[in-house]
This record gives sequence, structure tokens and C-alpha cells, in this order.
Amino acid sequence: ETGVTQTPRHLVMGMTNKKSLKCEQHLGHNAMYWYKQSAKKPLELMFVYSLEERVENNSVPSRFSPECPNSSHLFLHLHTLQPEDSALYLCASSHRDRGDYEQYFGPGTRLTVT
Amino acid sequence: QKEVEQNSGPLSVPEGAIASLNCTYSDRVSQSFFWYRQYSGKSPELIMSIYSNGDKEDGRFTAQLNKASQYVSLLIRDSQPSDSATYLCAVRRSTGNQFYFGTGTSLTVIP
Repeated sequence: ETGVTQTPRHLVMGMTNKKSLKCEQHLGHNAMYWYKQSAKKPLELMFVYSLEERVENNSVPSRFSPECPNSSHLFLHLHTLQPEDSALYLCASSHRDRGDYEQYFGPGTRLTVT
Repeated sequence: QKEVEQNSGPLSVPEGAIASLNCTYSDRVSQSFFWYRQYSGKSPELIMSIYSNGDKEDGRFTAQLNKASQYVSLLIRDSQPSDSATYLCAVRRSTGNQFYFGTGTSLTVIP
């Protein structure tokens, strides 16, 4: 256990559904991240929230919408997804100002879009 | 050009040998470097971070950084079958809070 939890662990959804992924960190960090991991591809950073600022990868489609209500919780809202969005979605957290920037990952949500 | 490049392998070493994993990166202003281990079906697990040129040792693991050559490596001494996993190299740029990962090197330690 790394101190980062994600729910659900598995999700199957149709292309017309709306669902949300949840992440919670218990490490006292002040930065949280969403990554997408697809087979044979490097981890792709989707969104970063740190110190109330949001950074997003411009290549991420608008059907993915992040929300970070506080420094411990992070959501990824999903709507009208495509089959190519099937992947492992990983949440991570780090401490931005301490100088180490070490990221700790949650167990991930395995998403299948049918 | 990819931000971070790793040999995808597979790399096979006998038990007890030294495994050497390599990574190059394209952005000269990168400042922070990380090695993660990922078992099949699991999420990445941080092994080591390195920020300065030279070697950093932690148990059986040694990370080596050469910023002039834009190269970072991980040595695993006395390799064990439990070290069999995919090893991910990650780089953080000095600007912003963005991280870039390689595709990973698959390591198999043969008993």
C-alpha cells in the first residue's frame, strides 16, 4: 500500500455512459496526477493539480474532465468515451515544494469501454 | 523525438548477476530522474530517485546519472527472480510539474 487509493478498481462502461474515477491520497502531498497507461505505450500524463493550479496535456480529449476539490482528493469524470480510451488509469501524488518530487501511484482503475 | 527512451528488452539475466538498465532523455533542462518497477497487472512502484550527476546506491540498486550525456541507468546487483518486472524510467522537467516516462524495459531473472 502506497497511501494512494483508487476506486473503482475495474470499470466497464458503454460509450454513452457517464462515470467517475476517484483517487484519495493519505500522504500529506500537495500535488496529484492522472495518468493513462495503454499497452506498448509510455505512461501519458493527463492532468496535474498542484497548489490549486491545474496543468493539462493538450492532447487529452474533452470527454475526460478532472476535478480536485482539495489536496487529498482527485476525480476523473468520464463521458461519451471511445473504445480506444480503454486503458489503465493511474492516479499519483507527490509533494511539490519539498524538492524531491517523488510520485507515488495508486493501484489504478482498469477501464474497458464497450 | 521521444522525451525518454528505453530499450524495451526483454533483458534476461541469471540469478545473482548484475542487471543493467539504461535510459536516455531529450530535454537538457530535465532535473529529476526516477526509476519505477512495475509488476504485471500492478501499478508502478518507486525504486529510486536521482538528482545529481554520479551514483546513488540503495541496497542492491544503484542509479547513475550523467547529465552531459543525458543518460541515466539502474544497476541491480545480485538479481533475484522477484526482480523480474518492467522497469520504467521517468524524467521531470525543471519547468512546470510535468513528468515523462519511457516505455519500460522488461527484465527476467532466470533461477
